[in-house]
Amino acid sequence: SQKIEQNSEALNIQEGKTATLTCNYTNYSPAYLQWYRQDPGRGPVFLLLIRENEKEKRKERLKVTFDTTLKQSLFHITASQPADSATYLCAFPGSNYQLIWGAGTKLIIKP
Amino acid sequence: KAGVTQTPRYLIKTRGQQVTLSCSPISGHRSVSWYQQTPGQGLQFLFEYFSETQRNKGNFPGRFSGRQFSNSRSEMNVSTLELGDSALYLCASSAGQGRNEKLFFGSGTQLSVL
Repeated sequence: SQKIEQNSEALNIQEGKTATLTCNYTNYSPAYLQWYRQDPGRGPVFLLLIRENEKEKRKERLKVTFDTTLKQSLFHITASQPADSATYLCAFPGSNYQLIWGAGTKLIIKP
Repeated sequence: KAGVTQTPRYLIKTRGQQVTLSCSPISGHRSVSWYQQTPGQGLQFLFEYFSETQRNKGNFPGRFSGRQFSNSRSEMNVSTLELGDSALYLCASSAGQGRNEKLFFGSGTQLSVL
């Protein structure tokens, strides 16, 4: 079955450094992959979408890569700030375009 | 534009009761999806509606049902509540016709079943 995996352990990063989160998928070749940010008790907020024919996409301090050979997407936050602390979710469309979600990686940026 | 609105924000029920949650999508969005989220779990897809028709359904028991009205507002109902139904229920709307690119989520309804 289609599966998506994110590092379940929290990621602790020093303020100002680059945070890199990983999303791996199996048994599928998605047309695109999305990244969302979720704060405690709130709904996810869309950040970036990258398509299979795009290797990299940027938005301000955010960068996403999509490697269809490795079946992996990397999400980078450069010059990280404590306000970037949140849980980051990746998702891709399975059959019928229903999104399949990773469990999320909790990012903690320490001042 | 107003965002996705979910009501109520918090709800406490007891086992065996039933509950109805409401979702108003962003104006102009015709697709509404519902998700269940429990601590440590990814979002679990419940169902999706588009133009008042249920387009897709996740692997949840028949106690979970939903509907969409002509103004795109949606409701989901859970009957005969169980302790395991305690979760954050999220509604999301999108402008696309089913491709689920860029979902806009509400703040969710936190349901506690005692």
